[in-house]
Amino acid sequence: EPEVTQTPSHQVTQMGQEVILRCVPISNHLYFYWYRQILGQKVEFLVSFYNNEISEKSEIFDDQFSVERPDGSNFTLKIRSTKLEDSAMYFCASSGEGRYGYTFGSGTRLTVV
Amino acid sequence: DQQVKQNSPSLSVQEGRISILNCDYTNSMFDYFLWYKKYPAEGPTFLISISSIKDKNEDGRFTVFLNKSAKHLSLHIVPSQPGDSAVYFCAASENYKLSFGAGTTVTVRA
Repeated sequence: EPEVTQTPSHQVTQMGQEVILRCVPISNHLYFYWYRQILGQKVEFLVSFYNNEISEKSEIFDDQFSVERPDGSNFTLKIRSTKLEDSAMYFCASSGEGRYGYTFGSGTRLTVV
Repeated sequence: DQQVKQNSPSLSVQEGRISILNCDYTNSMFDYFLWYKKYPAEGPTFLISISSIKDKNEDGRFTVFLNKSAKHLSLHIVPSQPGDSAVYFCAASENYKLSFGAGTTVTVRA
């Protein structure tokens, strides 16, 4: 069964450093998303991406964050200068024409120290 | 964000019995509702969904009921199996953006 692949599974970074979280969505999907879950809290929407541009973003997704689809297969989330409160599980998801059929990756656990 | 609420953080049920998970929402613009299952160290896995124009959708052991007037939906799992032990998230979609509930941890006892 097709799956969304995220790397790395766990990333530890120092406060103030830049991190790039990587995702390989399902190959024929058109819509891409990032969500995050801070420990003990809800899964929260960050951003959606379609046709090489952001289609919607939440208030969490401030100037520190950016997304990119650098080639035909990868979808990345960059956090420019990490803060302690950015520590969370970050989930990538993708969907096809039936847009409600989200498939989530297994997540990247980001720990900012 | 309190648009989607799952008021029961946990549920324990005996194997073979029915599990009923509840979810309430406040945003009347939600047009699609989904249930996801999550195991530790994995991403949410889609279970079942329902459009806002329907009141019931069934898929095998899983049935989702939607009561729009009460802004309430529920997931029934029958019969419950040990492999159903996981965290279950209710999610609601507005313009394809999902808002999640806090989750209910289901434990199925042998």
